Amino acid sequence: DADVTQTPRNRITKTGKRIMLECSQTKGHDRMYWYRQDPGLGLRLIYYSFDVKDINKGEISDGYSVSRQAQAKFSLSLESAIPNQTALYFCATSNPNQPQHFGDGTRLSIL
Amino acid sequence: EDQVTQSPEALRLQEGESSSLNCSYTVSGLRGLFWYRQDPGKGPEFLFTLYSAGEEKEKERLKATLTKKESFLHITAPKPEDSATYLCAVQASNDYKLSFGAGTTVTVRA
Repeated sequence: DADVTQTPRNRITKTGKRIMLECSQTKGHDRMYWYRQDPGLGLRLIYYSFDVKDINKGEISDGYSVSRQAQAKFSLSLESAIPNQTALYFCATSNPNQPQHFGDGTRLSIL
Repeated sequence: EDQVTQSPEALRLQEGESSSLNCSYTVSGLRGLFWYRQDPGKGPEFLFTLYSAGEEKEKERLKATLTKKESFLHITAPKPEDSATYLCAVQASNDYKLSFGAGTTVTVRA
């Protein structure tokens, strides 16, 4: 089983819909992150959480929200999806001063 | 603002043809420089962390080196299974987050 699991793996939806992407981990890491990846731009941080009660905005948080339901679960929501949020979304986990480990991503298309 | 630039964008190699990928960075004090490998349809997979200029790390056919302004990922005698996108990221000493480059896509032909 994967250490960092993202669901769904693929999603196609329409403009204006609310979308939730989920991430769960079995690594026991405290820190969890959400990134988006666009061609030619690299990975950009959306939100991160250092523990269940700690949520922080990343560099591109507008239009997104998150929830840390438990140490092992971190979900990303798009309240009203728009086409320029079409991207690959990755969840990552880490412990302090350790490398981040990534899930296999969600490919999200917004029509 | 931290910046990471990777070159070339794409690299096509013949099996056994060694080459190097470049990662140039600017950061206000380096805590660590990270190399990841990403296969199509997969998330980035951690390869190396380098912490200070002069440091080198090796794994199979890959060797990463670090100077004060750039890092190189050397691929020695590559095989087709080394085909992937290689990502570089830096973490500043006063920060939590990683700043990623756009990656170099390596294709190794048999």
